[in-house]
Amino acid sequence: QKEVEQDPGPLSVPEGAIVSLNCTYSNSAFQYFMWYRQYSRKGPELLMYTYSSGNKEDGRFTAQVDKSSKYISLFIRDSQPSDSATYLCAMRDGSGTYKYIFGTGTRLKVLA
Amino acid sequence: DVKVTQSSRYLVKRTGEKVFLECVQDMDHENMFWYRQDPGLGLRLIYFSYDVKMKEKGDIPEGYSVSREKKERFSLILESASTNQTSMYLCASRGDREGEKLFFGSGTQLSVL
Repeated sequence: QKEVEQDPGPLSVPEGAIVSLNCTYSNSAFQYFMWYRQYSRKGPELLMYTYSSGNKEDGRFTAQVDKSSKYISLFIRDSQPSDSATYLCAMRDGSGTYKYIFGTGTRLKVLA
Repeated sequence: DVKVTQSSRYLVKRTGEKVFLECVQDMDHENMFWYRQDPGLGLRLIYFSYDVKMKEKGDIPEGYSVSREKKERFSLILESASTNQTSMYLCASRGDREGEKLFFGSGTQLSVL
């Protein structure tokens, strides 16, 4: 079993839709949770970062962490064609080693 | 803005060749990482480095080595390239002042024939 599971998609939605992207994980020691966005032929860029459980909002993006279920989510409101990209979750434990484990990524297409 | 520069965007090598992938960051970051990205497998950590001359194995170090002689430069070496090392290679850096944010280069698409 992979430490981090993520549905690869592709996920196609119409412009303006609410998008929900998810990852599950098996390692209960994970404390730091990130979402990266990767455009085609580019390196990933950090979108959101959450420590431990809870929600975090930044503009149209909301990240949620449910440690009891080992489940994290990224919500995109009012999705735009420019949001079309691959979204990767990443996480690491709290041990002080900066070893980040990534999901496989979900490809998102927002149709105009 | 932090810049992470990978020396080549595309590289084609022959089986058995020794291959060097170079990565340079310009923000005095302590940590540097090499990942490979394959369809359906996501990003997998090959090696990372906490500081100059320090390195740690990631999840898939076999067939690779690294060098960090200067803080800004982290090199990935394929001692004897094989076809199963055909992949997108991504370098990243992280600074202690930046929290959990990894800064990635644009990647090197390596093809081993």
